[in-house]
Amino acid sequence: AQSVTQLDSQVPVFEEAPVELRCNYSSSVSVYLFWYVQYPNQGLQLLLKYLSGSTLVKGINGFEAEFNKSQTSFHLRKPSVHISDTAEYFCAVSDEPAAGNKLTFGGGTRVLVKP
Amino acid sequence: GAVVSQHPSWVICKSGTSVKIECRSLDFQATTMFWYRQFPKQSLMLMATSNEGSKATYEQGVEKDKFLINHASLTLSTLTVTSAHPEDSSFYICSASPGRDSPLHFGNGTRLTVT
Repeated sequence: AQSVTQLDSQVPVFEEAPVELRCNYSSSVSVYLFWYVQYPNQGLQLLLKYLSGSTLVKGINGFEAEFNKSQTSFHLRKPSVHISDTAEYFCAVSDEPAAGNKLTFGGGTRVLVKP
Repeated sequence: GAVVSQHPSWVICKSGTSVKIECRSLDFQATTMFWYRQFPKQSLMLMATSNEGSKATYEQGVEKDKFLINHASLTLSTLTVTSAHPEDSSFYICSASPGRDSPLHFGNGTRLTVT
């Protein structure tokens, strides 16, 4: 069984400051990790994914994440946030590399960017 | 890019009535679609996997007779909430992928309010 824990339910941050969203997972098999963003009353948009290879993954909108197998983590970072980054962020895991399969989501982290 | 359209975006219905939600892949075919449910300020919970031309696969705890899924074509899956009750009020999101090696695309969700 897989599970995903997002340690912070809310993260307030000032505009142009860096942000890190924490994600830890547990799985008995190989994992494939994803970060999604959800804007109010909308579906989810893929930010980035780790399937294999380099543990540092770069995504859209200036986000990046680092896969750390020993710490079972996949934290999301952005060096300088914008007001438009205010949204809900979800970490997700799958036991198959193709994202076109079932995902297990974390509880989400709400990012509020303040001017 | 691949687009998943969900309709309606919001619906209000009376207790005891049924509501149908449509999920369409607009520019690709999807043999599999996924239906998620999201409570306020919570994560997405997978309800079922919709398989074109066959029965849906429901997650544990999801009532098959209450949440009817029909995947009659490669571009359309429907979720019908039968005999809706106020506790069924939620945000329902569908997702689909052009193929197993392609990312999931999410619809914009349907907010259901049962009065």
